[in-house]
Amino acid sequence: KAGVTQTPRYLIKTRGQQVTLSCSPISGHRSVSWYQQTPGQGLQFLFEYFSETQRNKGNFPGRFSGRQFSNSRSEMNVSTLELGDSALYLCASSLRPGPNYGYTFGSGTRLTVV
Amino acid sequence: SQQGEEDPQALSIQEGENATMNCSYKTSINNLQWYRQNSGRGLVHLILIRSNEREKHSGRLRVTLDTSKKSSSLLITASRAADTASYFCATDPSTGNQFYFGTGTSLTVIP
Repeated sequence: KAGVTQTPRYLIKTRGQQVTLSCSPISGHRSVSWYQQTPGQGLQFLFEYFSETQRNKGNFPGRFSGRQFSNSRSEMNVSTLELGDSALYLCASSLRPGPNYGYTFGSGTRLTVV
Repeated sequence: SQQGEEDPQALSIQEGENATMNCSYKTSINNLQWYRQNSGRGLVHLILIRSNEREKHSGRLRVTLDTSKKSSSLLITASRAADTASYFCATDPSTGNQFYFGTGTSLTVIP
């Protein structure tokens, strides 16, 4: 079966612009989470969606937002980009939230802000 | 700060040797998971161990969990060059709804 698909794979944006990243989970998976990975901070949790509702949010500014559609696909938006937003953004899906399910990760979107 | 911390940060071994990496965490957990990440790629789920389990095996992987010491170890036996990757532990605290990933161990297996 198809894995988690993230688009685009690479993105270069200018400071001050906004960007939208897309994530298609594994078929049947209804929970989607987003993570930011940087060399300095490691993997940082952004937010998790389940059934189109945001269940949990990490400690990121309001410039970072997301949503989930009825088909479980999710988008993440970052407005007013800053140089520090350069990172690998990873999306992960699971059947549902909770402690008994492992995540399946996509290959990520590499965002570079110049 | 992050929930999990891996040790060592980097590990270099010869092919065929065993690799052991450790993870320590701070609060009580529901479960602990290990993931592998090849350079520039997403994370691959390796194994999940629940808080009431002490040891789990999957192929060449052996995971132990000591909740009294709040630590876990991942053993990769008979390592191969293809095992070269970063390995992360992720904890699901008993309170709260998010996973916390550790800082990772970078494993290099020399052919």
